[in-house]
Amino acid sequence: NAGVTQTPKFQVLKTGQSMTLQCAQDMNHEYMSWYRQDPGMGLRLIHYSVGAGITDQGEVPNGYNVSRSTTEDFPLRLLSAAPSQTSVYFCASSYSGAWGHNEQFFGPGTRLTVL
Amino acid sequence: GDSVTQMEGPVTLSEEAFLTINCTYTATGYPSLFWYVQYPGEGLQLLLKATKADDKGSNKGFEATYRKETTSFHLEKGSVQVSDSAVYFCALSEGGATNKLIFGTGTLLAVQP
Repeated sequence: NAGVTQTPKFQVLKTGQSMTLQCAQDMNHEYMSWYRQDPGMGLRLIHYSVGAGITDQGEVPNGYNVSRSTTEDFPLRLLSAAPSQTSVYFCASSYSGAWGHNEQFFGPGTRLTVL
Repeated sequence: GDSVTQMEGPVTLSEEAFLTINCTYTATGYPSLFWYVQYPGEGLQLLLKATKADDKGSNKGFEATYRKETTSFHLEKGSVQVSDSAVYFCALSEGGATNKLIFGTGTLLAVQP
């Protein structure tokens, strides 16, 4: 099992550009999510999905879009990049249910810089 | 809303020293509690968890006990190693049908030989 994979590992954008961060998992997990990690702020939830075709907003969704057309993939789109979106982005997946007890598996992260 | 507060870092210890990283939480329901660890350049991985009051999670010599009366989940290890150097995150899950995690700000641990 590859687990949770993310591409690219590093990316530099100019303000106003758009891009898609890719995330895939091969564990047949229903639940997938995107977090951003900023110094002194821990990880904050951007968007999440409880299954194919179902997505919802997290704590900091503005400027990001997601879709979930398959169980395996959960791409994160930046519509018009801003310097405030400079961050490290983590994708995570887990089984759903069990009332929040399930371990989440994290990808290696994408370090994004917006100039 | 629910929140997690953990002690500020960095924490610098000598090898074989005792480690405590404090974590307290605020929650309206009965959350599950987690400690995740992030080694340099990597993603987060689960270190241990506890799903109800008085549960003790343990792994790799680390322990934490879910204390409902003090709303705490402090991480401890009796003898740290250089390889334990990492960032440690306390987190809670609100439960229900989703697995949304709420994280603390993270504590950097540096262990010196």
